[in-house]
Amino acid sequence: GENVEQHPSTLSVQEGDSAVIKCTYSDSASNYFPWYKQELGKRPQLIIDIRSNVGEKKDQRIAVTLNKTAKHFSLHITETQPEDSAVYFCAAGKGYSTLTFGKGTMLLVSP
Amino acid sequence: DVKVTQSSRYLVKRTGEKVFLECVQDMDHENMFWYRQDPGLGLRLIYFSYDVKMKEKGDIPEGYSVSREKKERFSLILESASTNQTSMYLCASSLGIAGVGETQYFGPGTRLLVL
Repeated sequence: GENVEQHPSTLSVQEGDSAVIKCTYSDSASNYFPWYKQELGKRPQLIIDIRSNVGEKKDQRIAVTLNKTAKHFSLHITETQPEDSAVYFCAAGKGYSTLTFGKGTMLLVSP
Repeated sequence: DVKVTQSSRYLVKRTGEKVFLECVQDMDHENMFWYRQDPGLGLRLIYFSYDVKMKEKGDIPEGYSVSREKKERFSLILESASTNQTSMYLCASSLGIAGVGETQYFGPGTRLLVL
């Protein structure tokens, strides 16, 4: 089955800095790569996703890049703010199938 | 807005008890999922369902069963709770379109403590 590795497990940045979280996946047939954000005490929520026919996608301060050849994808957050502090999960899936999640990255943005 | 609700936010049970966790979604979603979330282990899929009365094992089904008698409701059952099942349990649902990656909408979670 699919295996998703996520790094780093924790990430501390200063407000205004950029943050990058990286994931690798094992199944070359995976074609859908969402990112979920879970604030403390709250439910995970989708923040951005990318499909395998696209190399990069942006939504304001958030971007995701995908390298299918290397089987890795990354989340980039620019101009970080304290409200970006949360646990971020990457995931991989294929078509009509379940998602396999990474173990999560705790991002702490200090004012 | 999709709404996924879970029957309890916190539960305390004794070892050996039968435990029912219920999840309800109000958006006519085909797919429903049960995950457990543990620190450092992320979200691990226990069971999922693509349709009423249909269930499939996920990555960690041992010690659990599920029931989906109605489309909107998906129940997770711990037949005989054990201390290693102390965890946060998250339910999720998605629309169910074949061949397309889909957003999963999560419930608020049930934190279960087994003593």
